[in-house]
Amino acid sequence: KQEVTQIPAALSVPEGENLVLNCSFTDSAIYNLQWFRQDPGKGLTSLLLIQSSQREQTSGRLNASLDKSSGRSTLYIAASQPGDSATYLCAVYPPLAAGNKLTFGGGTRVLVKP
Amino acid sequence: DAGVTQSPTHLIKTRGQQVTLRCSPISGHKSVSWYQQVLGQGPQFIFQYYEKEERGRGNFPDRFSARQFPNYSSELNVNALLLGDSALYLCASSLGGSGRGRQFFGPGTRLTVL
Repeated sequence: KQEVTQIPAALSVPEGENLVLNCSFTDSAIYNLQWFRQDPGKGLTSLLLIQSSQREQTSGRLNASLDKSSGRSTLYIAASQPGDSATYLCAVYPPLAAGNKLTFGGGTRVLVKP
Repeated sequence: DAGVTQSPTHLIKTRGQQVTLRCSPISGHKSVSWYQQVLGQGPQFIFQYYEKEERGRGNFPDRFSARQFPNYSSELNVNALLLGDSALYLCASSLGGSGRGRQFFGPGTRLTVL
């Protein structure tokens, strides 16, 4: 059974500092890994999706890496801003033909202080 | 193009009642998945439907049921509501049912059970 863990559960940083968010998973047989942002009481906003054949994906200030062999992904947010305050969730996709069930981590709640 | 839409946005019910939540996928998407997100936790997989057939079911009691219509929209039904069913219910759509396609999430329905 796939288990996804995000540590720490909460993080507080001053504005301008780089953010490093961690995601670990127990079964390396994944197809994709996706990072989401969730604002309080809202739905999920997709940030980056890394396919299993890729090692990283970048979009603006965001960079996500994937190491399947060690069961880890890291999301980097450069030069954090107060608007980056949110909960960040990672989710892994099962292998092909195993359906569409995403397994999510518990999330890391981020506060960027001005 | 419209994204995934869900209705209603918010819902308040009392214990023992029944509720129906609705989801319309992105045009052309044939797979719909449902997730439950309890406050402070990551989303948990409930169901996946593809081409009107159930393709996956999470660890939820039989009080939870779903169906998909010919236009690929979907309904999630929960009977005999319990306080613990209070959560944000998220719907996600994708092109295919095999996990190959990226999943896109709707804004969710916030269910409160009193």
